[in-house]
Amino acid sequence: ETGVTQSPTHLIKTRGQQVTLRCSSQSGHNTVSWYQQALGQGPQFIFQYYREEENGRGNFPPRFSGLQFPNYSSELNVNALELDDSALYLCASSLGQGVYEQYFGPGTRLTVT
Amino acid sequence: DAKTTQPTSMDCAEGRAANLPCNHSTISGNEYVYWYRQIHSQGPQYIIHGLKNNETNEMASLIITEDRKSSTLILPHATLRDTAVYYCIVRKHNDMRFGAGTRLTVKP
Repeated sequence: ETGVTQSPTHLIKTRGQQVTLRCSSQSGHNTVSWYQQALGQGPQFIFQYYREEENGRGNFPPRFSGLQFPNYSSELNVNALELDDSALYLCASSLGQGVYEQYFGPGTRLTVT
Repeated sequence: DAKTTQPTSMDCAEGRAANLPCNHSTISGNEYVYWYRQIHSQGPQYIIHGLKNNETNEMASLIITEDRKSSTLILPHATLRDTAVYYCIVRKHNDMRFGAGTRLTVKP
């Protein structure tokens, strides 16, 4: 059984640029959630995708968008990067959209300069 | 979702039980209590969850008070590898609202 994987591991971007982060869910999981974790803080929920549809969103602006593919892998896109977007971005997969154990990937460390 | 309050940090001796408290006095009837932990530089790891009854698995036990306003995560025999930030989360929707958690340090 393959766990949750994310790519790339690290990324450096310039303010104003756009970035795409990728996540492969654990085998058999149809739900993917994305989180942003700033240094020293707990993860903050960005949004969740269930069967290719957005299924809940946290307090993040529209320049944070996502996509889920038929194989349940997912992308997080961030446009017009700001310095405060520097963080660890975590992807978690689960089976179903309700109560559930979420399995997290190792994260992508994004630095915006 | 109900707010949770946890101590900022705790220490525990290796081999002893680690008891991590969490207050969630505004919890509603259909909200579950979840515990996750995050070891440095890794993604959070699911530990256990419960609604009303106490729960136990291979990692830990979860004790929820009868009024459900607080809970305790118990690691029965803490090891150095249990050093991590432990998050108590109360949720009913699709998202997990992580707070700052408790930094548990297991000492030899």
